Amino acid sequence: ETGVTQTPRHLVMGMTNKKSLKCEQHLGHNAMYWYKQSAKKPLELMFVYNFKEQTENNSVPSRFSPECPNSSHLFLHLHTLQPEDSALYLCASSQPMGLNTEAFFGQGTRLTVV
Amino acid sequence: GNSVTQMEGPVTLSEEAFLTINCTYTATGYPSLFWYVQYPGEGLQLLLKATKADDKGSNKGFEATYRKETTSFHLEKGSVQVSDSAVYFCALSDLSGGSNYKLTFGKGTLLTVNP
Repeated sequence: ETGVTQTPRHLVMGMTNKKSLKCEQHLGHNAMYWYKQSAKKPLELMFVYNFKEQTENNSVPSRFSPECPNSSHLFLHLHTLQPEDSALYLCASSQPMGLNTEAFFGQGTRLTVV
Repeated sequence: GNSVTQMEGPVTLSEEAFLTINCTYTATGYPSLFWYVQYPGEGLQLLLKATKADDKGSNKGFEATYRKETTSFHLEKGSVQVSDSAVYFCALSDLSGGSNYKLTFGKGTLLTVNP
């Protein structure tokens, strides 16, 4: 148990569906992250939020829309996804990232797009 | 840019064997280095870290030494157990884009330990 909770753990959605992933942490962290983990590829950083403000968007397609209403919650809204978007989506949190900062990860949401 | 290269795997060992997973990096600055572990069905957890040259990080019998001269941070354990079966990720933290620190991960190495 890392203190970062993601729901749902598994999600199957059609290409025309709209769904949301949720991440919650009560560690007092002010930075939150979305990562995508695909088979045989490095972990891809998607979005970074510091103090509820988005500070990084790594050229993620607009069919992924993040939302950070407060420092404890992070959402990833999904719409009109493609089968290649199937992956494990990991949320992480930390104090604002510095040189020695440790990130705490949730267990991930396994997303399958059919 | 920053990058991390680690041995591809998979690595399969018998219980009590010696483990080495190689990791090398390139970085624009003077990074901190990390090993994360991902057990089946879980997210990533920090295993150990080192913040300056010649530092040795250690935890749960695992060790890694920050070698600036060879830009390496190889993970070692003297005697692995079945419970060590997991995916291991090498990572670095460095400035990215001039003002933001960023964690960069390797592709991960799957370790399977057989009884």
